[in-house]
Amino acid sequence: DGGITQSPKYLFRKEGQNVTLSCEQNLNHDAMYWYRQDPGQGLRLIYYSQIVNDFQKGDIAEGYSVSREKKESFPLTVTSAQKNPTAFYLCASSGSGYTGELFFGEGSRLTVL
Amino acid sequence: AQRVTQPEKLLSVFKGAPVELKCNYSYSGSPELFWYVQYSRQRLQLLLRHISRESIKGFTADLNKGETSFHLKKPFAQEEDSAMYYCALSGKTGANNLFFGTGTRLTVIP
Repeated sequence: DGGITQSPKYLFRKEGQNVTLSCEQNLNHDAMYWYRQDPGQGLRLIYYSQIVNDFQKGDIAEGYSVSREKKESFPLTVTSAQKNPTAFYLCASSGSGYTGELFFGEGSRLTVL
Repeated sequence: AQRVTQPEKLLSVFKGAPVELKCNYSYSGSPELFWYVQYSRQRLQLLLRHISRESIKGFTADLNKGETSFHLKKPFAQEEDSAMYYCALSGKTGANNLFFGTGTRLTVIP
């Protein structure tokens, strides 16, 4: 089954703990993205990576970190510095060239207690 | 700064009626505009892009630079059109990172 796989789908953590969300793709896409979705706010870009070993901050990168050691993987760490981590997180990827088409995962819902 | 505004959070229309989902944008350069759709229990996916000037599932959207709008239209709504619709903007040629609006939930009443 091809596409974007995010795990876990649901995650509960205590305040002050770091948590890492997994995103894997088998589409051979060069670029990958992390978005955060909050009610009434749409999707906001956290980080994106256009090639392996390179990534850029999006609009709301504070309190988050990423790595891109492999083309297929783009994990997102929500650190304790993120003030409001409870949210729905979406990972996406896109192929080479500019098309504007992102392929999304099913999302991960993080709840910080 | 770039901004995408979808003024309606919720929109309900009857089956067979025309539907228009509004999208206005703010961007200093020449943007690329897109509509994404999320059907119930499905992933967010691209519906159409302005540069293609295409009609997908009966939907069309025209970029109006004078009014900075990119409204999504369909002459006759169908029940299967019920979904969440997001307007998105890309301001950087060569990069696919998109800026999304807050979305409009369309409900088509049978």
